[in-house]
Amino acid sequence: AQKVTQAQTEISVVEKEDVTLDCVYETRDTTYYLFWYKQPPSGELVFLIRRNSFDEQNEISGRYSWNFQKSTSSFNFTITASQVVDSAVYFCALSGLDRLNAGNNRKLIWGLGTSLAVNP
Amino acid sequence: DVKVTQSSRYLVKRTGEKVFLECVQDMDHENMFWYRQDPGLGLRLIYFSYDVKMKEKGDIPEGYSVSREKKERFSLILESASTNQTSMYLCASWTLYTGQGAIDTEAFFGQGTRLTVV
Repeated sequence: AQKVTQAQTEISVVEKEDVTLDCVYETRDTTYYLFWYKQPPSGELVFLIRRNSFDEQNEISGRYSWNFQKSTSSFNFTITASQVVDSAVYFCALSGLDRLNAGNNRKLIWGLGTSLAVNP
Repeated sequence: DVKVTQSSRYLVKRTGEKVFLECVQDMDHENMFWYRQDPGLGLRLIYFSYDVKMKEKGDIPEGYSVSREKKERFSLILESASTNQTSMYLCASWTLYTGQGAIDTEAFFGQGTRLTVV
């Protein structure tokens, strides 16, 4: 079974604080992809990052950074010096490459999302 | 720069009406998806399609059907709208191949359709 857990339902921080959004996943696939998406109040989901299961390098993009640890099946997302514009719902997702069942590799398994409020 | 377009941003329909939600993508993606999003329930997959005229049920297909007559267009149909189908509907497309020369992309989403059934 494949599953994504985002244990934090809501987080509220004050501007300029650092904040980490947790994502824990379950999969039996050896090859899989992990994703983070942002959904601002406007509603459209915006892609942030994709990580291949063979690439455990952490990534930094401006104030955003991601920590991928296969040993703990986690793919956490940190926002440094948060800003009001970071307020959104953030989703973590998983997709596996299942060569025996072609249908599975085309689906994304989503976490329930973490609603982040950054207050001025 | 438009990639995935949903036909309506807001829609209000009456109970029992047949409702069509249209989604068009311009990226030549094989796979297209329909999700509904409700507070506290995240994104739930209704149907997806991996080729023209092909469709597979997702997690909550009851009360819905889909149509994929052309590669770029994936329609979601509510056969007889009910109030419990009031929700945000999101369409997405992406490409992910298995086998040799695997190619992958992220999923691209439309802007969403907020449907209210009264």
